[in-house]
Amino acid sequence: KNQVEQSPQSLIILEGKNCTLQCNYTVSPFSNLRWYKQDTGRGPVSLTIMTFSENTKSNGRYTATLDADTKQSSLHITASQLSDSASYICVVSAGTYKYIFGTGTRLKVLA
Amino acid sequence: DSGVTQTPKHLITATGQRVTLRCSPRSGDLSVYWYQQSLDQGLQFLIQYYNGEERAKGNILERFSAQQFPDLHSELNLSSLELGDSALYFCASSPGELTDTQYFGPGTRLTVL
Repeated sequence: KNQVEQSPQSLIILEGKNCTLQCNYTVSPFSNLRWYKQDTGRGPVSLTIMTFSENTKSNGRYTATLDADTKQSSLHITASQLSDSASYICVVSAGTYKYIFGTGTRLKVLA
Repeated sequence: DSGVTQTPKHLITATGQRVTLRCSPRSGDLSVYWYQQSLDQGLQFLIQYYNGEERAKGNILERFSAQQFPDLHSELNLSSLELGDSALYFCASSPGELTDTQYFGPGTRLTVL
């Protein structure tokens, strides 16, 4: 069964600190993996998209990694800001046109 | 602002009714995607169109249908509405398909009473 699991469910960190969010998947055939940031009540915003051959992708203070062998991905946020408070969603594409969503990690950054 | 527009922003209706949600993609984008986000199920992919043709179906109920018009805007039709259809419905667009970045609209919040 195609599944995407994210951990932790929620996370609280202090402003300026780094954090890492995890995404494990059992999706076949793997096509690509996306990370989104979603503010409450708003549409998701794309952070990174990685295909099978890509190990790392950065977008400003956000760095995503992908290990296709262990079927794991992580999203590392550097020097967190209050505006990073949001839900972060991992999405894995199975085959060409199937999108499997994780349940997200809710991040809260405190001043 | 992603450049994707959705109307209406909010919709309140009764069980058994039918509604139409509208989406205008970013200028030049050929793909349109529809997603549903409910509190208990999270985000789910419903359907994708590319240049007027249906490309993929996800967890879309038979009571739901969609189409993409020649001007590339799209409509999602929800009929025989049930309480469980209450959710945020997002539209996204991308220039092409596959590994293209998808740009999400602000969503339509549907409440079924």
